[in-house]
Amino acid sequence: EDKVVQSPLSLVVHEGDTVTLNCSYEVTNFRSLLWYKQEKKAPTFLFMLTSSGIEKKSGRLSSILDKKELFSILNITATQTGDSAVYLCAGLMEYGNKLVFGAGTILRVKS
Amino acid sequence: DAGITQSPRHKVTETGTPVTLRCHQTENHRYMYWYRQDPGHGLRLIHYSYGVKDTDKGEVSDGYSVSRSKTEDFLLTLESATSSQTSVYFCAISDRALNEQFFGPGTRLTVL
Repeated sequence: EDKVVQSPLSLVVHEGDTVTLNCSYEVTNFRSLLWYKQEKKAPTFLFMLTSSGIEKKSGRLSSILDKKELFSILNITATQTGDSAVYLCAGLMEYGNKLVFGAGTILRVKS
Repeated sequence: DAGITQSPRHKVTETGTPVTLRCHQTENHRYMYWYRQDPGHGLRLIHYSYGVKDTDKGEVSDGYSVSRSKTEDFLLTLESATSSQTSVYFCAISDRALNEQFFGPGTRLTVL
C-alpha cells in the first residue's frame, strides 16, 4: 500500500526559529516528491524534487530529497507568523500521474 | 494563481440526493483531478482525467463518478450522497504528465 508519513504532526515555534519538517514515503513507481503549503484554503505549490541530494531553495524555504532512504525534509529559516500553515508532502507516481499525500504538519509561529 | 474555479463553494444536502460539483479551468491543461480532504487523512485522490472523455479511478472512487466532455470542465457526481461523503473537495490541474498540480479553491460539502 502506498503511504506518505509526515512528522511531526504539529509544532509551535517562535518567530526567528528554524524548523525542519520530515516526510517519508513508500510510493509505487515513485517519480518525484512535492511540497505544498495550505492556509485554510487551497494547497499552494512549493517544491518538486526529482533528483536525490539536490537542494531546492526559495527564499527562506529549502528542501532536499533522499531517494535511497525514501525521505525528504523541508527547512524554514527565520520563521515568520506568515509561515503558519499546514505543510503537505506528496509522492508522485510515475504511472497515472497520481499524488499520494501525507496527513500534513501543522506549523504555528508565535510572535 | 492558476485559473481554476469550483462551484458551488459550499453546499448542504440530504442523504440520498444526487450532487454534482464542477471544476472549471482556463489554462487549457490536459490533466484534471478530484481530491477529498478529511482530518487525519490529508488529500486523497477520487478520480482523475488525462484528456477529454478519458478518466480513471483514484484511491477512494467508490460512490463517485466523473465526466469530462470538454477540456475546461471536470464534473464530480455523487449519485446518492451519504454522510461519509461530507468533506472538502479540491480540484487540481497539471499541464503535462509528471508536472506539479495546482489546486482550485475547494468546495465544502455537508451531507445531513
